[in-house]
Amino acid sequence: DVKVTQSSRYLVKRTGEKVFLECVQDMDHENMFWYRQDPGLGLRLIYFSYDVKMKEKGDIPEGYSVSREKKERFSLILESASTNQTSMYLCASSLWDEKLFFGSGTQLSVL
Amino acid sequence: QKEVEQNSGPLSVPEGAIASLNCTYSDRGSQSFFWYRQYSGKSPELIMSIYSNGDKEDGRFTAQLNKASQYVSLLIRDSQPSDSATYLCAVNTGGGNKLTFGTGTQLKVEL
Repeated sequence: DVKVTQSSRYLVKRTGEKVFLECVQDMDHENMFWYRQDPGLGLRLIYFSYDVKMKEKGDIPEGYSVSREKKERFSLILESASTNQTSMYLCASSLWDEKLFFGSGTQLSVL
Repeated sequence: QKEVEQNSGPLSVPEGAIASLNCTYSDRGSQSFFWYRQYSGKSPELIMSIYSNGDKEDGRFTAQLNKASQYVSLLIRDSQPSDSATYLCAVNTGGGNKLTFGTGTQLKVEL
């Protein structure tokens, strides 16, 4: 079974802090994605990556950056956390198509 | 903005009935369509994919696609209380492996 592991289930940070969300997959998948999920807005794509050191902006990249130094690891960075970044963050991976496998999510609260 | 629209529900059906979940999309060039199921407090999991017009059956689930009408649906036969979840429609709207998700339809199967 594919396993996508997100480092934290719950995270509380202060406004202005730099926040790192880590995601690791164990199935040698090419593609990795970061989504956020908010009530009434659904899942929205922040960033994605098709290969090591490669990244592309999704629909809502503002205030975020990403890093993919190794194939199995994809990190989401909030450079200066703000209260409107309070959300559920979901990492996903796929082999070469759009069939996504999701991690268990990180509920981030920015106070 | 390429959109995927779903009725948020809740859709309530009695146990044993057929549940019908609907989704429309705006990008006429979309080629790949997916249904994900998300239990409360959990991450989405893929249950169906469909790429061609017509029906695709997998156990109690049937996905239906009509590209001319830009409409995709999911039928769940013999609905069970364990089917109670939010069902997310996802469409490849930008090429590559990017998915745009609808906001989901909450299904409640009542005893």
